[in-house]
Amino acid sequence: DADVTQTPRNRITKTGKRIMLECSQTKGHDRMYWYRQDPGLGLRLIYYSFDVKDINKGEISDGYSVSRQAQAKFSLSLESAIPNQTALYFCATSEPRGPKYNEQFFGPGTRLTVL
Amino acid sequence: AQTVTQSQPEMSVQEAETVTLSCTYDTSESDYYLFWYKQPPSRQMILVIRQEAYKQQNATENRFSVNFQKAAKSFSLKISDSQLGDAAMYFCAYRSAGETSGSRLTFGEGTQLTVNP
Repeated sequence: DADVTQTPRNRITKTGKRIMLECSQTKGHDRMYWYRQDPGLGLRLIYYSFDVKDINKGEISDGYSVSRQAQAKFSLSLESAIPNQTALYFCATSEPRGPKYNEQFFGPGTRLTVL
Repeated sequence: AQTVTQSQPEMSVQEAETVTLSCTYDTSESDYYLFWYKQPPSRQMILVIRQEAYKQQNATENRFSVNFQKAAKSFSLKISDSQLGDAAMYFCAYRSAGETSGSRLTFGEGTQLTVNP
């Protein structure tokens, strides 16, 4: 089973709709991240969380909100989707210590299209 | 703020040949990590290789190696004996060693690598 899972894998929605992207992990990591990928721009950080009570904005948080329901779950919401939020969204995890503390582990991505 | 630049949007290589992907970064920090990620058509982000800035020796992983030039802030990836399975988008990424950064990554724009048979 995958260590980091994302649901849905693909989603088409309409402008103005509320949508939630979900991420779950079985790695036991405290730190979780949401990135979006756009052609020619690479991946950019939306939000990140050190633990359940510590959530921080990334470089492009406008129009997004997040919820860390548990150590293993980190959800990204678009309250009112707009077409320029069409992108590939990735969830990732990392741990602050241990032999792989400088590595991030990515989920499979969610392709979101806003019409 | 740190920035990462990949100046080659697309590259191509013949199977079994060697190719080098370029990456430059800008930072005022002295301690950090650099990474190359591969993204095949499956969309999965796969870590290819990592480099700690405090290490002078260039990292290698089988056919993949880096040329890390700290003073020049350059971090290129060399793929030797290219294989068809190497075809993918490659991203260079930077991570501060400081705890306040939250281990977040700053990515370059990506380089699409095509491997020709």
